[in-house]
Amino acid sequence: QSVLTQPPSVSGAPGQRVTISCTGSNSNIGAGYDVHWYQQLPGAVPKLLIYVNDNRPSGVPDRFSGSKSDTSASLAITGLQAEDEADYYCQSYDSSLTGVIFGGGTKVTVL
Amino acid sequence: QVQLVQSGAELKKPGSSVRVSCKTSGVTFDSYTINWVRRAPGQGLEWMGKIIPFLAVAHYALEFQDRVTITADKSTNTVYIELTSLRSEDSALYYCAIEGRFCTSTSCFDSWGQGTLVTVSS
Repeated sequence: QSVLTQPPSVSGAPGQRVTISCTGSNSNIGAGYDVHWYQQLPGAVPKLLIYVNDNRPSGVPDRFSGSKSDTSASLAITGLQAEDEADYYCQSYDSSLTGVIFGGGTKVTVL
Repeated sequence: QVQLVQSGAELKKPGSSVRVSCKTSGVTFDSYTINWVRRAPGQGLEWMGKIIPFLAVAHYALEFQDRVTITADKSTNTVYIELTSLRSEDSALYYCAIEGRFCTSTSCFDSWGQGTLVTVSS
């Protein structure tokens, strides 16, 4: 069981907005550690999607946005497209475990 | 351009060990931290540990610290991960990844190797 909790799946129609939550605790997100998000397309390598809570690397569409508050974070995808079907992971650091932690992952399905 | 090229797939027996390599190019080897992450079938990403080649210092996830060793060969710009006492649950894709320079407070991974499939089966 992951230290960061994500919903196993979310779905939406093309053009809709979906959000993925990432819930942590006072030893990770709540302690002030940053949250990053990754997208893993089927059969592909994970790709950094959002870094330091709400920043997009060059080349990532502005349809993707991140936020962080208290002990949780969220990834929003607006204008959902078929190519967004993938697994999404949040990642942070935990001071009790003294290491990097990932959420369990969320599968996004475009209906 | 940063490139991470990993060794090929491995088939191992339960109880044995496996070593996977990750050769870097396009970076100053010593100045980066290399991490290892795995993904088992039907499971999520799992961080295993990291090494700072400049210092030759490794740090491991608590879950793996008794079975994993990460080393670096500065002469070939290659990082290795060795996992011992293999069991079927260790069957997974193993990735190396470089920490992004812009994630100064909490590590993030902006370049990844292609992945190495390790299968543990009798």
